[in-house]
Amino acid sequence: GDSVTQMEGPVTLSEEAFLTINCTYTATGYPSLFWYVQYPGEGLQLLLKATKADDKGSNKGFEATYRKETTSFHLEKGSVQVSDSAVYFCALSGYNFNKFYFGSGTKLNVKP
Amino acid sequence: GAVVSQHPSWVICKSGTSVKIECRSLDFQATTMFWYRQFPKQSLMLMATSNEGSKATYEQGVEKDKFLINHASLTLSTLTVTSAHPEDSSFYICSARPRTDRGGYGYTFGSGTRLTVV
Repeated sequence: GDSVTQMEGPVTLSEEAFLTINCTYTATGYPSLFWYVQYPGEGLQLLLKATKADDKGSNKGFEATYRKETTSFHLEKGSVQVSDSAVYFCALSGYNFNKFYFGSGTKLNVKP
Repeated sequence: GAVVSQHPSWVICKSGTSVKIECRSLDFQATTMFWYRQFPKQSLMLMATSNEGSKATYEQGVEKDKFLINHASLTLSTLTVTSAHPEDSSFYICSARPRTDRGGYGYTFGSGTRLTVV
């Protein structure tokens, strides 16, 4: 079945460091891919998305490229800020968008 | 933008009692609502999918008699944890899909409910 695997955390970085959070997926067909962010005590917020191979999703300095050949959707940011500290979830959805599969989440801690 | 209000944000209840969690779409009609459970340091596990006016569809392994879901209107879905036990303690999050959503991008999540059963 469909599934998402993302790197375990926590990831601890200094402010302005480069961030990569790895995400790979297994899916039948052609899923859409998402990154969600969860700040402490809050629900999930959509960070970015990509719907087909080679699409690049971007938002707030974060980017992720849909790589079909490597079944990956790694999240990157060139310079993290303390305010980026949160848990990041990679997710996929099938063709009918009626079910989402989430990775286990990666906690990011950014130190000043 | 679309807002989903989830209430209460946290609740403590005694073992054996029932707890109701509400999920409301404030500025849009949600044809489908989803209920997730999140264990500490783990991902979200889809519990059930509810469509307005019909019975919820539960994921394998989720007890439908224990987790009662009602989706009585296009803006309200409720999850009732019946006869709660300490192992039901968890973070529950709802998600709503707008009626107008075509690309699966409109899912909006509530802020979650922290349930503690003592």
